[in-house]
Amino acid sequence: ILNVEQSPQSLHVQEGDSTNFTCSFPSSNFYALHWYRWETAKSPEALFVMTLNGDEKKKGRISATLNTKEGYSYLYIKGSQPEDSATYLCAFDAGGTSYGKLTFGQGTILTVHP
Amino acid sequence: DVKVTQSSRYLVKRTGEKVFLECVQDMDHENMFWYRQDPGLGLRLIYFSYDVKMKEKGDIPEGYSVSREKKERFSLILESASTNQTSMYLCASSLWFGGRDRGYNEQFFGPGTRLTVL
Repeated sequence: ILNVEQSPQSLHVQEGDSTNFTCSFPSSNFYALHWYRWETAKSPEALFVMTLNGDEKKKGRISATLNTKEGYSYLYIKGSQPEDSATYLCAFDAGGTSYGKLTFGQGTILTVHP
Repeated sequence: DVKVTQSSRYLVKRTGEKVFLECVQDMDHENMFWYRQDPGLGLRLIYFSYDVKMKEKGDIPEGYSVSREKKERFSLILESASTNQTSMYLCASSLWFGGRDRGYNEQFFGPGTRLTVL
């Protein structure tokens, strides 16, 4: 079983704070790294897919970076808003004949207080 | 829009009951997955299927079986439910994006079924 770790497990911030969390994954057999956002009572939805070392992706106030050589990705949220409250999941994709199988981290639960 | 639906949002069953969780996707995806999510453990893969009647065990298949008789439907079966199978169950299907070079599979999730076994 692949080891994908996320930290911290949970985070409480005030509205307007910027925050970041980490996903670490095996640096060998890397194909892609996915970030998902999972809001309460909804389905997890894809935020980013990153495939190349040094990739940086941005969507509004959320951005992500990727370092495949050392096996980590950071997710940043600038100026957090209460609607950013969710569980953020990263998932490692080893590619090959894995049929799209992903290995997920434990998730980071973000709570943004007004 | 891709749509993945699950038969129930909440389900309460008794120990020893046979439980069926149904998942349907409407986008003709080849691959489908069943996960369970428990606090502090993230999503753990139970089983997946890459074609009709084809299935493979994931990381935690014990106590579960699956059925894929039609491409759009993937069922998770708890033959004899136990209290340690109380969990949130998520179904997903995946689609390949991109060309021959450096494409990727993206998974699309259903809303989840929260199963309680008493």
